[in-house]
Amino acid sequence: KQEVTQIPAALSVPEGENLVLNCSFTDSAIYNLQWFRQDPGKGLTSLLLIQSSQREQTSGRLNASLDKSSGRSTLYIAASQPGDSATYLCAVIRGGSNYKLTFGKGTLLTVNP
Amino acid sequence: DAGVIQSPRHEVTEMGQEVTLRCKPISGHDYLFWYRQTMMRGLELLIYFNNNVPIDDSGMPEDRFSAKMPNASFSTLKIQPSEPRDSAVYFCASSSRLGGGFIRSTDTQYFGPGTRLTVL
Repeated sequence: KQEVTQIPAALSVPEGENLVLNCSFTDSAIYNLQWFRQDPGKGLTSLLLIQSSQREQTSGRLNASLDKSSGRSTLYIAASQPGDSATYLCAVIRGGSNYKLTFGKGTLLTVNP
Repeated sequence: DAGVIQSPRHEVTEMGQEVTLRCKPISGHDYLFWYRQTMMRGLELLIYFNNNVPIDDSGMPEDRFSAKMPNASFSTLKIQPSEPRDSAVYFCASSSRLGGGFIRSTDTQYFGPGTRLTVL
């Protein structure tokens, strides 16, 4: 059974700092890995999707990397802003005919002005 | 598009009562997913549909839970009878298969705002 772990569970940083969120998964036979953002009282918003054949994806100040062999992914946020404060979740998927996302429990990020 | 719509946003009920959660997926999306989120277990997939047909319900916790999708624009998740341990946030999400065929690894899911259920 696939298990996804995110460390740390919570992180507080001053505005402007670069930071890294970590995600690990037990079964390396994944099709892709996604990073989501969840704001309080709201649903999830997809930030980045890395296919299993890729090593990284970038969107603005966000960069996500994937190392399938070691079962790890990182989300790098450059020059953090208070508006980045949210819970960040990673999820892995086995595609094909069975489309199921397995989520980690998330990292609660607080960026202090 | 208004995105995935869920109702109600909040539901408070007493143990033993029937609860019905509703979801309207994004128009044109042919996959619909129901998730449950709790502090202890995180976000878990309960069931998902393709073209209104249930594909995988292995995440449904027990027979008290049932889900239907009578048409492409509406789905319900019902709990009967409800118990305090069902208290959670329930999310609906939808996705589309761009270009047809099996859903691709690049197809992302779009989540609704969730329904916060409290069973007293």
